[in-house]
Amino acid sequence: AQKITQTQPGMFVQEKEAVTLDCTYDTSDQSYGLFWYKQPSSGEMIFLIYQGSYDEQNATEGRYSLNFQKARKSANLVISASQLGDSAMYFCAMREGLRAGGTSYGKLTFGQGTILTVHP
Amino acid sequence: DAGVIQSPRHEVTEMGQEVTLRCKPISGHDYLFWYRQTMMRGLELLIYFNNNVPIDDSGMPEDRFSAKMPNASFSTLKIQPSEPRDSAVYFCASSAALAVETQYFGPGTRLLVL
Repeated sequence: AQKITQTQPGMFVQEKEAVTLDCTYDTSDQSYGLFWYKQPSSGEMIFLIYQGSYDEQNATEGRYSLNFQKARKSANLVISASQLGDSAMYFCAMREGLRAGGTSYGKLTFGQGTILTVHP
Repeated sequence: DAGVIQSPRHEVTEMGQEVTLRCKPISGHDYLFWYRQTMMRGLELLIYFNNNVPIDDSGMPEDRFSAKMPNASFSTLKIQPSEPRDSAVYFCASSAALAVETQYFGPGTRLLVL
């Protein structure tokens, strides 16, 4: 089963509008972390935002905010006031918690990504 | 402050040749990760180190792949012999700690095996 699901292969948004990129996750751990990374056409992976499972407030970083709904296991990325430079692939990732006897601790599992295109 | 440094940025080689990818993590980071990105499989963790010791190599595809971290500031990922299906972008990432810290990625090495 997919641990991270990004259901939108591609999204389009008008410049200066807000856009939401969807991410749902699957874990039985109580402690985990959720990340969003941006990958522009140049290929590098740029960290955008982090949400811990115990954080009560939604994470925000400038124009990025994470809409964390724990009961629904969703961690959607909201980009406000889109800019042309926001056009890129966006990945949602999860770091699961510590399991007794396991080595999954700390591993990032990535979704398949969403290509965002910002139109002028 | 320098980020994660990878070399080479691009590598083109012929099937059967040995390929060595290099990574310098961010100074002070205790964890180092090697990832591979392909169109078919997306981003996959290959192996990660803590304090230069390999912790989890379950993602290493086969014996042709090996990774070392001889000191805190250097790691290599070696493929010997290389095959066309190894063509991918290989990322190195580092983090200061596992529990709460973000992993910061290098620019990647784009490998093409002919």
